[in-house]
Formats: sequence, C-alpha cells, structure tokens
Amino acid sequence: DVKVTQSSRYLVKRTGEKVFLECVQDMDHENMFWYRQDPGLGLRLIYFSYDVKMKEKGDIPEGYSVSREKKERFSLILESASTNQTSMYLCASSLWLEQFFGPGTRLTVL
Amino acid sequence: AQTVTQSQPEMSVQEAETVTLSCTYDTSESDYYLFWYKQPPSRQMILVIRQEAYKQQNATENRFSVNFQKAAKSFSLKISDSQLGDAAMYFCAYRSARWETSGSRLTFGEGTQLTVNP
Repeated sequence: DVKVTQSSRYLVKRTGEKVFLECVQDMDHENMFWYRQDPGLGLRLIYFSYDVKMKEKGDIPEGYSVSREKKERFSLILESASTNQTSMYLCASSLWLEQFFGPGTRLTVL
Repeated sequence: AQTVTQSQPEMSVQEAETVTLSCTYDTSESDYYLFWYKQPPSRQMILVIRQEAYKQQNATENRFSVNFQKAAKSFSLKISDSQLGDAAMYFCAYRSARWETSGSRLTFGEGTQLTVNP
C-alpha cells in the first residue's frame, strides 16, 4: 500500500514564526502536492513538484515556499506564519492518475 | 482555467437508501479525468471512483456509480444501499489529460458533507 505521512497531525504556532510541514511518501512517486483545505472552499493547490528540486506554483502560493531535496520528501514552508494561514494542510503524491493523500496537518497560528 | 462546483454543501440519507451528490465543472478541454474522493472523519482522503472523459460508459465501483454527462459538464455520484461508513465529506475533482499545461494537478470542488442516518 502507498503510504504518505505528514510530520504532525496538529500544530500550534505563533504569528511570525517560520513553520515547516514535512511530507514523506514511500512509493517512489514522481509527483507531490501540497493543498490547503478550508470549509466551503474545498482543497486548493499551494505548490506541486514533478521531480526532485523541481517545483511549480499552484493557485495560492503567496506566503508559502517548498523544498524537494529528495524524491520521497516534500516540505512546505511558511516563512512568517500569519493567522490567515490557520488551516488544514494536506500532502499528496502520485505516479500517474490517482493521488494518494496523507492524513493532514491541522495548523493553528495564534 | 478549470473550475469545479458542488452546489450541495450538505446532504443526508437514510441507511440502505440511495443518494446522489452533484458536481458540475467548466473546461474548454475535450480530454480530461474526473474523480470523486471521500474524506471520512479520520481525514484520510480516499479515491472512490474515476471517469475518463473519452469513455461514454459511466464508471461503477460496487455501490458507487457516476452519471457523466459530458455535454452538460455534469458528474454526479450515486451511492446505493447507503451504509453508516459512507458518512464523510465527498469531493469532486478534475484533472486535465494534457500534462504540459497543468501537470497532474487536481482541481477540487467545495465538497459535500454526507450524513447517513440509522
């Protein structure tokens, strides 16, 4: 079975902190994604990566950056966390059609 | 850009009954894929069913089936013999078949929260 893991289920940070959300997949997938999930808005794509060290902006990249130094790991970075970044963050990976999701990180920024 | 719309924020169904969740999308492309994902309270997103736009036949997976109307850009999910374990948030999603324009990214709808009453 494909397994996508995320470093934390719940995270509480303060405004202005630098925040790292880690995602690891164990199926050698080329593509990895970071989404943000908010009530009434569904999932919105922040960034995605189709290869090591490659990244593409999604629909809402502002305030975020990403890093993919190894194929299995895709990190989402909040350079200076703000309260409007309080949300659920979902990581996913895919080889072709189906995306496999991690369990999500619920981030609260105070 | 493609958009996906789910106009039913909440739906409920009695156990063993049938329910249909609606999804519409907007695209200028002729070749694409459509998906229904399920997110139970555990938050783990699970693929329910997939439809290729070039296929006229509606996809079916056990109790789950779709009604794909390409001309109307409609993609509804029918759940038959509803079970308590079907209670979840359901998301409709679109993926272009053209990798060079959008990669393998998905565009999601807003979601429909399904409640199953015993």
